[in-house]
Amino acid sequence: DQQVKQNSPSLSVQEGRISILNCDYTNSMFDYFLWYKKYPAEGPTFLISISSIKDKNEDGRFTVFLNKSAKHLSLHIVPSQPGDSAVYFCAASAPMGGNQFYFGTGTSLTVIP
Amino acid sequence: NAGVMQNPRHLVRRRGQEARLRCSPMKGHSHVYWYRQLPEEGLKFMVYLQKENIIDESGMPKERFSAEFPKEGPSILRIQQVVRGDSAAYFCASSRSGGSYIAGELFFGEGSRLTVL
Repeated sequence: DQQVKQNSPSLSVQEGRISILNCDYTNSMFDYFLWYKKYPAEGPTFLISISSIKDKNEDGRFTVFLNKSAKHLSLHIVPSQPGDSAVYFCAASAPMGGNQFYFGTGTSLTVIP
Repeated sequence: NAGVMQNPRHLVRRRGQEARLRCSPMKGHSHVYWYRQLPEEGLKFMVYLQKENIIDESGMPKERFSAEFPKEGPSILRIQQVVRGDSAAYFCASSRSGGSYIAGELFFGEGSRLTVL
């Protein structure tokens, strides 16, 4: 039961353009969402988060948008840089759902110089 | 997140042997989580522990898998009688307080890659 889905396994973008990574979830109890970035042979590192009371959170080149009615969130990276090439995981948690985060299967982003 | 230390980074075992994976959380963190990533899949929650207590093990397979986080020393994920399907990357994460989202995020280690021959 994949409660968090990233339907695009890969994405290629030209350097300087916008990268948009998408994530859908099924559990309406989720109230906190995060994006993690993972390089090969390394652990995931936290990138940005958003609470369900907001619909947008911005941190430098990274912006996360949350559409609760559609149960959809997206990560925008602009401008994209070659160093952004990595696997991006979307994750969600629920306040009454135990202590686990539910992760998507990841989207591999390649930024072409 | 370099503060979460996992070892070994790579472990090779034959079917039927035991695998022990260790995790030292970041300094000041008393909450540890284990996640497993199978090939071509996302991270799957296994277990959440505090010192000397298992808080949530809803993601742990019912047999052969166990976890502990003793008062002293690292957290250990133990897999007995390994099978080929156990081959995966096992990630440990820690947080400052329980309900990691309150703390903001989990800090992950670099993972332990188990290969079962």
